[in-house]
Amino acid sequence: QVQLVESGGGVVQPGGSLRLSCTPSGIDFTIYGMHWVRQAPGKGLEWVAFIRFDGSYQYYSDSVKGRFTISRDNPKNTLYLQMDSLRSEDTAVYYCAKDSGSGSPTIDYWGQGTLVTVSS
Amino acid sequence: QSVLTQPPSASGTPGQSVTISCSGSSSNIGSNFVYWYQQIPGTAPKLLISRNNRRRSGVPDRFSGSKSGTSASLAISGLRSEDEADYYCAAWDDSLSGSYVFGSGTKVTVL
Repeated sequence: QVQLVESGGGVVQPGGSLRLSCTPSGIDFTIYGMHWVRQAPGKGLEWVAFIRFDGSYQYYSDSVKGRFTISRDNPKNTLYLQMDSLRSEDTAVYYCAKDSGSGSPTIDYWGQGTLVTVSS
Repeated sequence: QSVLTQPPSASGTPGQSVTISCSGSSSNIGSNFVYWYQQIPGTAPKLLISRNNRRRSGVPDRFSGSKSGTSASLAISGLRSEDEADYYCAAWDDSLSGSYVFGSGTKVTVL
């Protein structure tokens, strides 16, 4: 079955950086786009970024554009989210999610999430 | 605030039916498929309905989705205690550079 395992979360000071990783299993990673979605404590879901299956194009939410970078290493079967210039409002559980692969980007599988806390 | 609008809460007794609405615009629901996710508190979301009305394998037929114009809805019939969760609609939005937008979420309570 499909499994997505995130890692790299933790506590970081405002202005700092953190890199999240996601390792999928049960899928051919090389043919699917991938997303990052976050959820602040007690809040709803917020889409963060999407990368095409071959890494040729990325989309970002306005709230992270210019600060976060989504990337992937297909030979290593790994998705990344590089987060720079972190702010307190970036505190959230970050989910890695698989694209459905049909038409416009949409999500059909989710990881369990990794918590990022931005605090001094 | 969320691009897609959902009621914050809905409730019913076991066996009753509940319908959750999701209102968007021509750039998201009006031109793309709607997806519905269920999130039990403390766990990751999971897909319930894809492409407006397709139940994921293993999802009970008590759950059904529909779409009309720039709005969509999720109906839960024969409400059960295990249906108590947060429900989110989502769709791709074609405006500006593109984004995947979620509804604000609806907390379903089984009384």
